Amino acid sequence: SQELEQSPQSLIVQEGKNLTINCTSSKTLYGLYWYKQKYGEGLIFLMMLQKGGEEKSHEKITAKLDEKKQQSSLHITASQPSHAGIYLCGARGGSEKLVFGKGTKLTVNP
Amino acid sequence: DTAVSQTPKYLVTQMGNDKSIKCEQNLGHDTMYWYKQDSKKFLKIMFSYNNKELIINETVPNRFSPKSPDKAHLNLHINSLELGDSAVYFCASSPGIFYEQYFGPGTRLTVT
Repeated sequence: SQELEQSPQSLIVQEGKNLTINCTSSKTLYGLYWYKQKYGEGLIFLMMLQKGGEEKSHEKITAKLDEKKQQSSLHITASQPSHAGIYLCGARGGSEKLVFGKGTKLTVNP
Repeated sequence: DTAVSQTPKYLVTQMGNDKSIKCEQNLGHDTMYWYKQDSKKFLKIMFSYNNKELIINETVPNRFSPKSPDKAHLNLHINSLELGDSAVYFCASSPGIFYEQYFGPGTRLTVT
């Protein structure tokens, strides 16, 4: 079965700094989803990547999909305290099931 | 307007009891899901319904039974609750099987 490994597991940055979170799949990626979870809340859908080389941006968050490397990265530019939370990647290994990584906990210090 | 809602938000109960969690979506989606997030924050699929038909049924104890009375609702009934059932349960919905999923706020179940 497909497994997703996220790195780092946790990240503490100073406000204004850039950061990158990686998600590596054990199998071929058929779509990659990024979500954000704040403590005590549900997951918020950020973006979906479907094709190798695809890159999407929303405000200060950019996600890229490297299909050959079976990897996706999430980059936050000029981080703010509002970016704090747990970022999860999800993917399908050719089935209906969406499998999630264990998440990356991001703390942004003012 | 809440897109995917769950009730209750918190549920504290004793071992051996039977409880239900309700989920409703007003997005007009065809597919709904139940996920379990354990104490280590690991999120795992339990069930999925597409147009009221069960399409994903993971290795979950028989004590867990989902029911979809219509496309907008997916309930989760748990019999004979055990300590290990303590977790946060999330409902989600999507326009179809291979689309992005939208999650509810979660139900934190504590079994004592």
